[in-house]
Amino acid sequence: EVQLVESGGGLVQPGRSLRLSCAASGFTFDDYAMHWVRQAPGKGLEWVSGISWNSGSIGYADSVKGRFTISRDNAKNSLYLQMNSLRAEDTALYYCAKSKGSGVAATADYWGQGTLVTVSS
Amino acid sequence: QSALTQPASVSGSPGQSITISCTGTSSDVGSYNLVSWYQQHPGKAPKLMIYEVSKRPSGVSNRFSGSKSGNTASLTISGLQAEDEADYYCCSYAGSSTRGRVFGGGTKLTVL
Repeated sequence: EVQLVESGGGLVQPGRSLRLSCAASGFTFDDYAMHWVRQAPGKGLEWVSGISWNSGSIGYADSVKGRFTISRDNAKNSLYLQMNSLRAEDTALYYCAKSKGSGVAATADYWGQGTLVTVSS
Repeated sequence: QSALTQPASVSGSPGQSITISCTGTSSDVGSYNLVSWYQQHPGKAPKLMIYEVSKRPSGVSNRFSGSKSGNTASLTISGLQAEDEADYYCCSYAGSSTRGRVFGGGTKLTVL
């Protein structure tokens, strides 16, 4: 059974940093691309970033480019999102999602339950 | 403003069929057969219902079907059931790793 467990969320002041983690199990992690998708309270889904199976292809939404960094550690079956210079508009539930394929173009098929990030002073 | 346009809400009675549209551009929906649809119940994570325009993952009811014409994709749910009431989001690959994926704003389906 595919399991994705996000952690690292919390309350943080504007301008500060936070690092999210996603622990994956139930599938061969290094065969698949991974994504971060967020959902602001009461709003829709927004793709944040994606990374291919071998970290060779990485993409970011314009809204986070230059501030967020996605990475993965295939030896630890883990996905990360380093978030710097956080803004109030980054407040959201952050989901980790597995892709159906190895590239960032592949559809996200399984999602974790999310970790909440609140940016406020 | 979302990159893909969906109606804010649709409704139907049990047993009926409904269709949700998702309009993009020639840079996303129109260029790639990589449109997917997600169902999200309140407080839950999204669930993949349709991928690559019209393919259903294992375990998803065949009452759910997808199609695409030009820059517009559609999700049809036939034989509406009470448990279909949820938010539905379309998503499309947008052509480059730097743009990645784009979502629609979501459609609230109400089963009357």
